[in-house]
Amino acid sequence: AQTVTQSQPEMSVQEAETVTLSCTYDTSESDYYLFWYKQPPSRQMILVIRQEAYKQQNATENRFSVNFQKAAKSFSLKISDSQLGDAAMYFCAYRSITSGSRLTFGEGTQLTVNP
Amino acid sequence: DVKVTQSSRYLVKRTGEKVFLECVQDMDHENMFWYRQDPGLGLRLIYFSYDVKMKEKGDIPEGYSVSREKKERFSLILESASTNQTSMYLCASKPPGRPLETQYFGPGTRLLVL
Repeated sequence: AQTVTQSQPEMSVQEAETVTLSCTYDTSESDYYLFWYKQPPSRQMILVIRQEAYKQQNATENRFSVNFQKAAKSFSLKISDSQLGDAAMYFCAYRSITSGSRLTFGEGTQLTVNP
Repeated sequence: DVKVTQSSRYLVKRTGEKVFLECVQDMDHENMFWYRQDPGLGLRLIYFSYDVKMKEKGDIPEGYSVSREKKERFSLILESASTNQTSMYLCASKPPGRPLETQYFGPGTRLLVL
């Protein structure tokens, strides 16, 4: 079974600075997808960024980028030029390609952005 | 804009009560999901449904059941609520033909079982 681990329950960053959220996972599969989701306070959870394991290039979405290290099974999220609206709970998630009927989520990291 | 609504934001129930959590989506999505979210555990899948009257167990179905009588509505049922079912419950739905990760999540229901 796959597992996803986020070892940082809480992180904080100053507005306009850069922060990196960590995620590691365990799987015996070679092809899979990884994701970061954002859950703002009292608002719906949304998908932030998606990485396909067979792609070596790291995914980027505006100020959000990932550092995908397949051999190390590491998938960190970098938020550049942090904004107050980035404050949220962030979840890392995994989906198998072969048995992709569910997502496996990490424990979550609560990000605080200080003005 | 897709909307997934959950019947209550906050709910307080007593141990042993039968509890219904309702989820409604307005975009004719076939796939719907129920998760629970707990601190330090993330989201865990309870049940999901591919279509009306169809249901599949997720990773933690014990103590729960579901009902999907109409396409737009997916209900989570706690037959006899217990204190260890105190949690945040999230519903989600997915458009047909789109990958699993493109789920639209509801705002969540915080359930407290006393």
